[in-house]
Amino acid sequence: QQPVQSPQAVILREGEDAVINCSSSKALYSVHWYRQKHGEAPVFLMILLKGGEQKGHEKISASFNEKKQQSSLYLTASQLSYSGTYFCGTEEETSGSRLTFGEGTQLTVNP
Amino acid sequence: DTEVTQTPKHLVMGMTNKKSLKCEQHMGHRAMYWYKQKAKKPPELMFVYSYEKLSINESVPSRFSPECPNSSLLNLHLHALQPEDSALYLCASSQRAAVSSYNEQFFGPGTRLTVL
Repeated sequence: QQPVQSPQAVILREGEDAVINCSSSKALYSVHWYRQKHGEAPVFLMILLKGGEQKGHEKISASFNEKKQQSSLYLTASQLSYSGTYFCGTEEETSGSRLTFGEGTQLTVNP
Repeated sequence: DTEVTQTPKHLVMGMTNKKSLKCEQHMGHRAMYWYKQKAKKPPELMFVYSYEKLSINESVPSRFSPECPNSSLLNLHLHALQPEDSALYLCASSQRAAVSSYNEQFFGPGTRLTVL
């Protein structure tokens, strides 16, 4: 079951904040976040496990609400290098490491 | 070494050709994956290998044939492809192919395939 990501696209000025959401109708074991720049491979950002654990990586952090099966990725004080397409990948409890990716959120950071 | 490598980077083939894509990792990962990604779409899982055995085949047409010769190598053999198979083919690896803690997948740079 493909997760739903929102928004589809975001345009920011350098230094602004953004939130990207990912939700599923299935019981999830984990949520993975990746960033992909044009013509490149997806790059792993972080993984959230069920239990509502919040993780952080530089100025990017994320949360996972197990009750709602929702995850949010928080980008603070955005930099030009944050531009790219952000995908959430969800792993259902019975999926055996099968990641299903959302449609992606295209983030553009302008000077 | 935290890298997944893929060759070739680009491949153009006719519908009657036979070609192979290659993926390699030296992180000691025991799970390897093939994904297909069309432009402006997310990666779609094709196959999962766990401990060199095929564990997931997402109903992929038989013109795609995966092979895992050893724990570091993953191949994708292509035969009689269609133009709609043109896409970026991504390989990934993770420590294991089971739902478990912090089992992140690392992606290779991909092979951009064009079928004429």
